[in-house]
Amino acid sequence: EPEVTQTPSHQVTQMGQEVILRCVPISNHLYFYWYRQILGQKVEFLVSFYNNEISEKSEIFDDQFSVERPDGSNFTLKIRSTKLEDSAMYFCASSEAQRVEAFFGQGTRLTVV
Amino acid sequence: GIQVEQSPPDLILQEGANSTLRCNFSDSVNNLQWFHQIPWGQLINLFYIPSGTKQNGRLSATTVATERYSLLYISSSQTTDSGVYFCAVVVWNFNKFYFGSGTKLNVKP
Repeated sequence: EPEVTQTPSHQVTQMGQEVILRCVPISNHLYFYWYRQILGQKVEFLVSFYNNEISEKSEIFDDQFSVERPDGSNFTLKIRSTKLEDSAMYFCASSEAQRVEAFFGQGTRLTVV
Repeated sequence: GIQVEQSPPDLILQEGANSTLRCNFSDSVNNLQWFHQIPWGQLINLFYIPSGTKQNGRLSATTVATERYSLLYISSSQTTDSGVYFCAVVVWNFNKFYFGSGTKLNVKP
């Protein structure tokens, strides 16, 4: 069964460093998303991406964040200068179309120290 | 924005018991999914159920979109059912999930 895969599963980084979280969405999907879950809290939307551009972003997704689809298979989330409060689980998701079933990856746990 | 409320927030069951988890939402939706998550783990798709009823083994779900709620039934619970169950909805004209706060289930042997 096709699945969304994310790497790495866990990353520890120093405050102020740049991190890139990687995702391989399901191959025939056209819509891609990043969500974040701070420990013990609900899952929050960060950004959606379609046709090589951001279609929507939340207020959390400030200038420190960027997304890219560098090739036909990968979808990345970059955090330019990490802060302690960026520590969270980051989930990538993809869907064939808008407002249909979305599939989530296994997550990347980011720890900023 | 839309409010997604899940109840109960915490649930402790003895293995073999049945349970019903509820998700209420404050606006019309065109997508609703239920997920299961173990701590710091993957969001596992349980059901894509914007309306109607579905069953998968010991789990079933019902969404009554006109009354803005969904129910997740777990029958004959097992310790492996422990974790957090999230309901997430997509509102008309948007293409992002709003998640509830989850129901934390602990099934004891």
